[in-house]
Amino acid sequence: EAEVAQSPRYKITEKSQAVAFWCDPISGHATLYWYRQILGQGPELLVQFQDESVVDDSQLPKDRFSAERLKGVDSTLKIQPAELGDSAMYLCASGRWDTEAFFGQGTRLTVV
Amino acid sequence: AQKVTQAQTEISVVEKEDVTLDCVYETRDTTYYLFWYKQPPSGELVFLIRRNSFDEQNEISGRYSWNFQKSTSSFNFTITASQVVDSAVYFCALSELEAGNNRKLIWGLGTSLAVNP
Repeated sequence: EAEVAQSPRYKITEKSQAVAFWCDPISGHATLYWYRQILGQGPELLVQFQDESVVDDSQLPKDRFSAERLKGVDSTLKIQPAELGDSAMYLCASGRWDTEAFFGQGTRLTVV
Repeated sequence: AQKVTQAQTEISVVEKEDVTLDCVYETRDTTYYLFWYKQPPSGELVFLIRRNSFDEQNEISGRYSWNFQKSTSSFNFTITASQVVDSAVYFCALSELEAGNNRKLIWGLGTSLAVNP
Protein backbone atom coordinates (compact mmCIF):
# COMPACT_ATOMS: atom_id res chain seq x y z
CA GLU A 1 0.00 0.00 0.00
CA ALA A 2 1.34 3.42 -0.97
CA GLU A 3 2.49 5.61 1.88
CA VAL A 4 3.77 9.09 2.50
CA ALA A 5 7.40 8.76 3.55
CA GLN A 6 8.96 11.18 6.00
CA SER A 7 12.41 11.38 7.47
CA PRO A 8 13.81 11.57 10.01
CA ARG A 9 11.26 10.16 12.50
CA TYR A 10 12.91 11.93 15.39
CA LYS A 11 15.24 14.89 15.53
CA ILE A 12 16.90 16.59 18.46
CA THR A 13 18.65 19.82 17.67
CA GLU A 14 20.14 22.68 19.60
CA LYS A 15 18.63 26.12 19.59
CA SER A 16 19.93 28.28 16.71
CA GLN A 17 20.92 25.30 14.61
CA ALA A 18 19.43 24.51 11.21
CA VAL A 19 17.17 21.50 10.74
CA ALA A 20 15.52 19.97 7.66
CA PHE A 21 12.73 17.48 7.12
CA TRP A 22 12.03 15.49 4.00
CA CYS A 23 8.76 14.18 2.59
CA ASP A 24 8.03 11.89 -0.34
CA PRO A 25 4.30 11.91 -1.17
CA ILE A 26 2.23 9.13 -2.63
CA SER A 27 2.91 8.84 -6.36
CA GLY A 28 0.48 10.88 -8.44
CA HIS A 29 -0.60 13.15 -5.62
CA ALA A 30 -0.30 16.75 -6.78
CA THR A 31 -1.17 18.32 -3.44
CA LEU A 32 1.35 18.24 -0.62
CA TYR A 33 0.89 19.70 2.84
CA TRP A 34 3.24 20.44 5.71
CA TYR A 35 1.56 20.67 9.11
CA ARG A 36 2.90 21.42 12.56
CA GLN A 37 1.20 19.87 15.55
CA ILE A 38 1.97 20.90 19.10
CA LEU A 39 1.14 18.33 21.73
CA GLY A 40 -2.53 18.47 22.68
CA GLN A 41 -3.52 20.64 19.74
CA GLY A 42 -4.82 20.10 16.23
CA PRO A 43 -2.66 20.22 13.11
CA GLU A 44 -1.72 23.70 11.91
CA LEU A 45 -1.08 24.11 8.19
CA LEU A 46 2.33 25.59 7.45
CA VAL A 47 2.39 25.31 3.67
CA GLN A 48 0.37 23.72 0.88
CA PHE A 49 1.75 22.91 -2.56
CA GLN A 50 -0.10 22.16 -5.76
CA ASP A 51 2.55 20.47 -7.87
CA GLU A 52 5.61 22.72 -7.42
CA SER A 53 3.65 25.87 -6.63
CA VAL A 54 2.88 27.20 -3.19
CA VAL A 55 -0.87 27.81 -2.87
CA ASP A 56 -0.96 28.67 0.84
CA ASP A 57 1.92 29.63 3.11
CA SER A 58 0.08 32.23 5.12
CA GLN A 59 0.93 30.52 8.43
CA LEU A 60 4.56 29.79 7.62
CA PRO A 61 6.98 31.88 9.73
CA LYS A 62 8.98 32.97 6.75
CA ASP A 63 11.76 34.59 8.74
CA ARG A 64 12.98 31.15 9.78
CA PHE A 65 10.99 28.53 7.86
CA SER A 66 11.28 27.65 4.20
CA ALA A 67 9.73 24.93 2.08
CA GLU A 68 10.34 23.75 -1.43
CA ARG A 69 9.02 21.18 -3.84
CA LEU A 70 11.26 21.78 -6.81
CA LYS A 71 10.11 19.05 -9.20
CA GLY A 72 6.60 18.78 -7.87
CA VAL A 73 7.34 15.47 -6.17
CA ASP A 74 9.24 15.31 -2.88
CA SER A 75 9.54 18.27 -0.55
CA THR A 76 11.84 19.70 2.09
CA LEU A 77 10.91 21.87 5.05
CA LYS A 78 13.74 23.79 6.70
CA ILE A 79 14.01 25.74 9.92
CA GLN A 80 16.92 28.08 10.43
CA PRO A 81 17.60 28.98 13.15
CA ALA A 82 15.56 26.61 15.31
CA GLU A 83 13.96 28.00 18.46
CA LEU A 84 12.72 26.23 21.57
CA GLY A 85 9.12 26.93 20.55
CA ASP A 86 9.59 24.95 17.34
CA SER A 87 9.48 21.70 19.27
CA ALA A 88 6.51 19.85 17.79
CA MET A 89 5.46 17.09 15.44
CA TYR A 90 5.88 17.99 11.78
CA LEU A 91 3.48 16.12 9.56
CA CYS A 92 3.53 15.80 5.80
CA ALA A 93 0.45 14.78 3.86
CA SER A 94 -0.45 14.33 0.22
CA GLY A 95 -3.61 14.02 -1.80
CA ARG A 96 -5.27 14.67 -5.11
CA TRP A 97 -7.07 17.97 -5.48
CA ASP A 98 -10.42 16.93 -4.10
CA THR A 99 -9.64 13.92 -1.96
CA GLU A 100 -8.58 13.12 1.54
CA ALA A 101 -5.06 13.83 2.71
CA PHE A 102 -2.89 10.86 3.57
CA PHE A 103 -0.36 11.51 6.28
CA GLY A 104 3.13 10.29 6.90
CA GLN A 105 4.34 9.16 10.30
CA GLY A 106 5.69 12.59 11.08
CA THR A 107 8.95 13.96 12.42
CA ARG A 108 9.06 14.69 16.12
CA LEU A 109 11.37 17.67 16.63
CA THR A 110 12.85 18.56 19.99
CA VAL A 111 14.82 21.77 20.25
CA VAL A 112 17.08 21.96 23.31
CA ALA B 1 -15.80 31.68 14.71
CA GLN B 2 -14.84 28.04 14.66
CA LYS B 3 -15.71 26.44 11.35
CA VAL B 4 -15.36 22.91 12.66
CA THR B 5 -16.50 22.42 16.23
CA GLN B 6 -15.80 19.32 18.26
CA ALA B 7 -17.47 20.25 21.51
CA GLN B 8 -16.22 17.23 23.42
CA THR B 9 -12.62 17.76 24.44
CA GLU B 10 -12.26 14.46 26.29
CA ILE B 11 -14.43 11.39 26.60
CA SER B 12 -13.79 8.42 28.84
CA VAL B 13 -15.74 5.17 28.49
CA VAL B 14 -15.47 1.61 29.64
CA GLU B 15 -14.72 -1.07 27.09
CA LYS B 16 -17.77 -2.35 25.16
CA GLU B 17 -19.68 0.88 25.63
CA ASP B 18 -20.91 2.73 22.55
CA VAL B 19 -19.59 6.25 22.14
CA THR B 20 -20.49 9.11 19.79
CA LEU B 21 -18.10 11.89 18.86
CA ASP B 22 -19.78 15.07 17.71
CA CYS B 23 -18.72 17.32 14.85
CA VAL B 24 -20.54 20.48 13.76
CA TYR B 25 -19.31 22.51 10.80
CA GLU B 26 -19.97 25.81 9.12
CA THR B 27 -19.49 26.55 5.43
CA ARG B 28 -20.99 28.58 2.60
CA ASP B 29 -19.81 26.14 -0.07
CA THR B 30 -22.36 23.94 -1.76
CA THR B 31 -19.66 21.41 -2.59
CA TYR B 32 -17.49 20.44 0.33
CA TYR B 33 -16.00 17.38 1.97
CA LEU B 34 -15.95 16.18 5.54
CA PHE B 35 -13.40 13.87 7.07
CA TRP B 36 -12.62 11.99 10.24
CA TYR B 37 -9.07 11.15 11.23
CA LYS B 38 -7.72 9.11 14.12
CA GLN B 39 -4.47 9.97 15.88
CA PRO B 40 -3.24 7.19 18.19
CA PRO B 41 -0.46 7.82 20.71
CA SER B 42 2.12 7.04 18.00
CA GLY B 43 1.26 10.40 16.45
CA GLU B 44 0.38 9.45 12.90
CA LEU B 45 -2.91 10.77 11.54
CA VAL B 46 -4.97 7.94 10.08
CA PHE B 47 -7.70 8.65 7.57
CA LEU B 48 -11.05 7.08 8.52
CA ILE B 49 -13.69 8.46 6.17
CA ARG B 50 -14.51 11.12 3.61
CA ARG B 51 -18.02 12.27 2.85
CA ASN B 52 -19.00 14.77 0.16
CA SER B 53 -21.79 17.28 0.64
CA PHE B 54 -24.12 15.59 -1.82
CA ASP B 55 -24.04 12.22 -0.13
CA GLU B 56 -26.06 12.14 3.06
CA GLN B 57 -26.19 8.39 3.34
CA ASN B 58 -24.94 7.11 6.63
CA GLU B 59 -22.00 4.79 6.50
CA ILE B 60 -21.02 1.80 8.55
CA SER B 61 -17.61 0.18 8.59
CA GLY B 62 -17.34 -2.57 11.15
CA ARG B 63 -17.78 -1.01 14.57
CA TYR B 64 -17.58 2.51 13.13
CA SER B 65 -20.53 4.45 11.78
CA TRP B 66 -21.03 8.00 10.63
CA ASN B 67 -24.18 10.12 10.62
CA PHE B 68 -24.10 13.07 8.20
CA GLN B 69 -26.98 15.54 8.51
CA LYS B 70 -26.84 18.67 6.37
CA SER B 71 -29.92 20.11 8.08
CA THR B 72 -27.98 20.42 11.33
CA SER B 73 -24.50 20.72 9.75
CA SER B 74 -23.31 17.74 11.69
CA PHE B 75 -21.12 14.76 10.91
CA ASN B 76 -21.08 12.57 13.99
CA PHE B 77 -18.99 9.46 14.50
CA THR B 78 -20.10 6.48 16.58
CA ILE B 79 -17.96 3.61 17.80
CA THR B 80 -19.98 0.58 18.79
CA ALA B 81 -18.68 -1.80 21.45
CA SER B 82 -15.57 0.29 22.03
CA GLN B 83 -12.19 -1.35 22.59
CA VAL B 84 -9.03 -0.19 24.29
CA VAL B 85 -7.36 0.11 20.87
CA ASP B 86 -9.87 2.82 19.99
CA SER B 87 -8.18 5.13 22.49
CA ALA B 88 -6.90 8.05 20.46
CA VAL B 89 -7.56 11.65 19.52
CA TYR B 90 -10.16 11.92 16.78
CA PHE B 91 -10.24 14.91 14.45
CA CYS B 92 -13.07 16.09 12.25
CA ALA B 93 -12.08 18.21 9.22
CA LEU B 94 -13.81 20.20 6.49
CA SER B 95 -12.49 20.79 2.98
CA GLU B 96 -13.87 23.85 1.25
CA LEU B 97 -12.93 25.95 -1.74
CA GLU B 98 -11.05 29.18 -1.23
CA ALA B 99 -10.50 32.03 -3.64
CA GLY B 100 -8.22 30.89 -6.42
CA ASN B 101 -9.91 27.49 -6.64
CA ASN B 102 -7.76 26.12 -3.87
CA ARG B 103 -9.18 23.55 -1.44
CA LYS B 104 -8.34 24.11 2.20
CA LEU B 105 -8.62 21.62 5.05
CA ILE B 106 -10.06 23.11 8.23
CA TRP B 107 -9.57 21.07 11.38
CA GLY B 108 -11.52 20.73 14.57
CA LEU B 109 -9.60 20.77 17.84
CA GLY B 110 -10.03 17.06 18.34
CA THR B 111 -11.72 14.80 20.87
CA SER B 112 -9.52 12.66 23.06
CA LEU B 113 -11.16 9.29 23.62
CA ALA B 114 -10.00 7.01 26.42
CA VAL B 115 -11.42 3.51 26.46
CA ASN B 116 -10.73 1.84 29.78
CA PRO B 117 -10.67 -1.92 30.33
